[in-house]
Amino acid sequence: DAGVIQSPRHEVTEMGQEVTLRCKPISGHNSLFWYRQTMMRGLELLIYFNNNVPIDDSGMPEDRFSAKMPNASFSTLKIQPSEPRDSAVYFCASRGTPLGQPQHFGDGTRLSIL
Amino acid sequence: AQSVTQLDSQVPVFEEAPVELRCNYSSSVSVYLFWYVQYPNQGLQLLLKYLSGSTLVKGINGFEAEFNKSQTSFHLRKPSVHISDTAEYFCAVRGSYQKVTFGTGTKLQVIP
Repeated sequence: DAGVIQSPRHEVTEMGQEVTLRCKPISGHNSLFWYRQTMMRGLELLIYFNNNVPIDDSGMPEDRFSAKMPNASFSTLKIQPSEPRDSAVYFCASRGTPLGQPQHFGDGTRLSIL
Repeated sequence: AQSVTQLDSQVPVFEEAPVELRCNYSSSVSVYLFWYVQYPNQGLQLLLKYLSGSTLVKGINGFEAEFNKSQTSFHLRKPSVHISDTAEYFCAVRGSYQKVTFGTGTKLQVIP
């Protein structure tokens, strides 16, 4: 079974550039989550979708961050413009029904903003 | 509101010794509880989960956890650790809402 697929695995770019992270959830899962992990703040939930609809984006740090889920098999997290403090590992996770199902995580995108 | 507390940020333990990683939670509703493991440069993987029923839950890699409702705890245990268990372990809780709250993680370092 294919798990959650994230791309790219690593990204290094200069500050001010636009960054797009991609996620393909597990087929049949109806919830999708974006997390950010840093040494200082641990694992933070940025946003999650249910049936392609954003349910809670209270964790999105600021307007430079945006996320979309145009269909059940694809989501993007975009940072524009990027800043050095955005450097982190970004994880995507998906979950199916019914209640009580665990989240399945991708391997993450390690983002470095110079 | 719900929250998860992992009091120990790091736990060193000698190989073949037992280990317990502590997790306490708070929630105003019934919860589902999870333990995840994260190896370096990887995402989180599910170790075990408690949904209902028996309070002792067995997971992968010889780990088990016990749900204690009166103490609002879900501690993770393994009777004999191996070098390969060196990783970071996250406790998570999910109440009636869809959001899962993760603890801050406990780094388990197994010493040869």
